[in-house]
Amino acid sequence: GAGVSQSPRYKVAKRGQDVALRCDPISGHVSLFWYQQALGQGPEFLTYFQNEAQLDKSGLPSDRFFAERPEGSVSTLKIQRTQQEDSAVYLCASSTTGQYQETQYFGPGTRLLVL
Amino acid sequence: SQKIEQNSEALNIQEGKTATLTCNYTNYSPAYLQWYRQDPGRGPVFLLLIRENEKEKRKERLKVTFDTTLKQSLFHITASQPADSATYLCALDMEGYSTLTFGKGTMLLVSP
Repeated sequence: GAGVSQSPRYKVAKRGQDVALRCDPISGHVSLFWYQQALGQGPEFLTYFQNEAQLDKSGLPSDRFFAERPEGSVSTLKIQRTQQEDSAVYLCASSTTGQYQETQYFGPGTRLLVL
Repeated sequence: SQKIEQNSEALNIQEGKTATLTCNYTNYSPAYLQWYRQDPGRGPVFLLLIRENEKEKRKERLKVTFDTTLKQSLFHITASQPADSATYLCALDMEGYSTLTFGKGTMLLVSP
């Protein structure tokens, strides 16, 4: 079956532009996670959804970052007024139920470059 | 907050040898630890999970150990192959929630 997909794969934005990154989780997966991965670093947690409910957004670096999952499947991560420090790979992951100790399945990521 | 340290330098080994990667953590002891593999331009792929009450877990050529006294996990790849070349990430649960805290990863290069 299809895995987690993300679009676009690459995005170049001018500083100050708004961007929207899309994640299609594995069909039927209840939980969805967003991570930010800077060059040479491990993924860092941004936010977590269970169905349409955003249960944790403690990792969002500023109020310019906003995520939603209105129907409990596809999710969008929006970054307003992008800054150069937002340049990173944004990874989306999903898991079956989001239960403790469950494996997360990652998408290929969206590489964002802010000029 | 939890801090995770993995081998900071890339690990270069020869094909056929055993690769050993280290993951050390501070602060609280996680209930479980996961290892992922990440290839360039791709997302991490799950490899193994080990729980705090398990000392060792194996899967084919992979072996993971978990020492809660030393606050350390070791990840071994036996009979390594050039196709094993990738970055390996360890990840811990964040205080009992579903979200994970990742280390920086260790790049493994296996030369023929």
